[in-house]
Amino acid sequence: DAKTTQPPSMDCAEGRAANLPCNHSTISGNEYVYWYRQIHSQGPQYIIHGLKNNETNEMASLIITEDRKSSTLILPHATLRDTAVYYCIVRVASGNTPLVFGKGTRLSVIA
Amino acid sequence: GAGVSQSPSNKVTEKGKDVELRCDPISGHTALYWYRQRLGQGLEFLIYFQGNSAPDKSGLPSDRFSAERTGESVSTLTIQRTQQEDSAVYLCASSLAALYNSPLHFGNGTRLTVT
Repeated sequence: DAKTTQPPSMDCAEGRAANLPCNHSTISGNEYVYWYRQIHSQGPQYIIHGLKNNETNEMASLIITEDRKSSTLILPHATLRDTAVYYCIVRVASGNTPLVFGKGTRLSVIA
Repeated sequence: GAGVSQSPSNKVTEKGKDVELRCDPISGHTALYWYRQRLGQGLEFLIYFQGNSAPDKSGLPSDRFSAERTGESVSTLTIQRTQQEDSAVYLCASSLAALYNSPLHFGNGTRLTVT
């Protein structure tokens, strides 16, 4: 799987949008971008994934650049419960290969 | 149950003892994964089961580690002759193999402490 680069930490004020960047400059055409998060003492939680189009669900939005070399996860109205480590992962499209986790971004939402 | 269930949630064992960790995947999920997460570290892939295919054991750190899965249900991860460096949270995940690119659903893990 291609490697990703994320900032180690970010702060966000409660109620504001949290924009988490991810670089994946070596991504292949058949690789999806996945986002997971891990709240303290819990297992990772799936957030969203996409190939090339922007995606939105009840948790977040995923914006992927046209060249697919980077993406941004957007939490539109961050709450204290969104404080977690956020992982950006690229994964080949075929089968169910294991996810390879990097170090992620530690997001702290501040009241 | 609705999610992936792991037991026990905590396990303390003495160095040199064997331990078994259990994972109950979401019903109908044919793919099952084990990961390890040491304190303050990221997740390390250990092993992956996909239906009746031979498991991908490429992440197992030593021959003291093994895992089994009965059909498409319960899996056990066994660590023999535990060492202090085995102390970690062991996480299990499952996914719907029938669905292209189906997301992984994780349990909350078993925290193993080797004294």
